Amino acid sequence: QKEVEQDPGPLSVPEGAIVSLNCTYSNSAFQYFMWYRQYSRKGPELLMYTYSSGNKEDGRFTAQVDKSSKYISLFIRDSQPSDSATYLCAMSARTGGFKTIFGAGTRLFVKA
Amino acid sequence: GAVVSQHPSWVICKSGTSVKIECRSLDFQATTMFWYRQFPKQSLMLMATSNEGSKATYEQGVEKDKFLINHASLTLSTLTVTSAHPEDSSFYICSAPDKTSTDTQYFGPGTRLTVL
Repeated sequence: QKEVEQDPGPLSVPEGAIVSLNCTYSNSAFQYFMWYRQYSRKGPELLMYTYSSGNKEDGRFTAQVDKSSKYISLFIRDSQPSDSATYLCAMSARTGGFKTIFGAGTRLFVKA
Repeated sequence: GAVVSQHPSWVICKSGTSVKIECRSLDFQATTMFWYRQFPKQSLMLMATSNEGSKATYEQGVEKDKFLINHASLTLSTLTVTSAHPEDSSFYICSAPDKTSTDTQYFGPGTRLTVL
């Protein structure tokens, strides 16, 4: 079993749709949860960062962490064609020396 | 936010030659940096952890003699791919955690290596 599981997609939605991206994990020591967006042939760009459980909202993006279920989500409201990218969930623990474990990434296509 | 740069952004080399990739943290100090490798349409695979002033820590299966890492200062880590082969062609990405703020990983833009 992988430490972090993420459906690779691809996920195709029409413009304006609400997108839900998810990851599950097995290591209960993870404390820091991130979502990165990666455009083709570019390095990952940090989108959202959450410490421990809870919700965090930033513009059209909402990140949720449920540590009891070992489940994290990223919601994108009013999706735009420019949101088309690969979204990687990632998590780390201080006890792990900030070693970040990534999900496989979900490819998202938002159709105009 | 914090910025991490990489140089070069892309490089083409012949088999058997060595290639050096630089990773710099531009506005913060990084005692630790991470080097990742990413194949097309796949996620990032951690290769090694670069530690300032000490030896790098390599992940299982990564040849330390082939992928030389030097963390010479608090803002610079280098990855040298020695005796490159076509199978080393990949996208190499570095990152650094900004411990002074949110402990978040900041990634460089990546270096695309093509070995002919």
